[in-house]
Amino acid sequence: DVKVTQSSRYLVKRTGEKVFLECVQDMDHENMFWYRQDPGLGLRLIYFSYDVKMKEKGDIPEGYSVSREKKERFSLILESASTNQTSMYLCASGGGGDTEAFFGQGTRLTVV
Amino acid sequence: SQKIEQNSEALNIQEGKTATLTCNYTNYSPAYLQWYRQDPGRGPVFLLLIRENEKEKRKERLKVTFDTTLKQSLFHITASQPADSATYLCALAKNYGQNFVFGPGTRLSVLP
Repeated sequence: DVKVTQSSRYLVKRTGEKVFLECVQDMDHENMFWYRQDPGLGLRLIYFSYDVKMKEKGDIPEGYSVSREKKERFSLILESASTNQTSMYLCASGGGGDTEAFFGQGTRLTVV
Repeated sequence: SQKIEQNSEALNIQEGKTATLTCNYTNYSPAYLQWYRQDPGRGPVFLLLIRENEKEKRKERLKVTFDTTLKQSLFHITASQPADSATYLCALAKNYGQNFVFGPGTRLSVLP
């Protein structure tokens, strides 16, 4: 059974903290993605990576960075968490061109 | 500006009827369009993909159409069941790119 696993289901962090969200996939996919999902705004792409050490900005990269040191792992970093980054974060792999994307279960992050 | 719209935020139908969900887009030329299902608190799950040169795709009780002239995709669930209740998302590829942009979703409720 193919899997995309996110390290946490729920996180509560304080404003100004550095936050790491981890994502691991076991399908040997080259493409990996980070989205955030907010009511009324849908899924918005933050960053994606099409190869190890490669990254591309999505539609809303401000305040975020990413790291992909190994093919199976893609990390999202909030350099200094702010309350407007409270959201559901979803990691996905695959999804290049005409292939489906596999999503993790999501991390609900609350910044207080 | 580029935009993806799904016909309504919520749709209620009676069990056994056909549910029809709409995805409209502007200022995109997608080579592919996908539909996903998302249950509360979970990541989206892939359902169907349709290519720009395909008019229709079927999978069991699901049917997707893609009209590149109207810039519209329709998603049908026939003989709907309460278990079909979920949010349905359309996603289109940015030309032949490696990433997708998602619509805001339609929350479908199938009433027994």
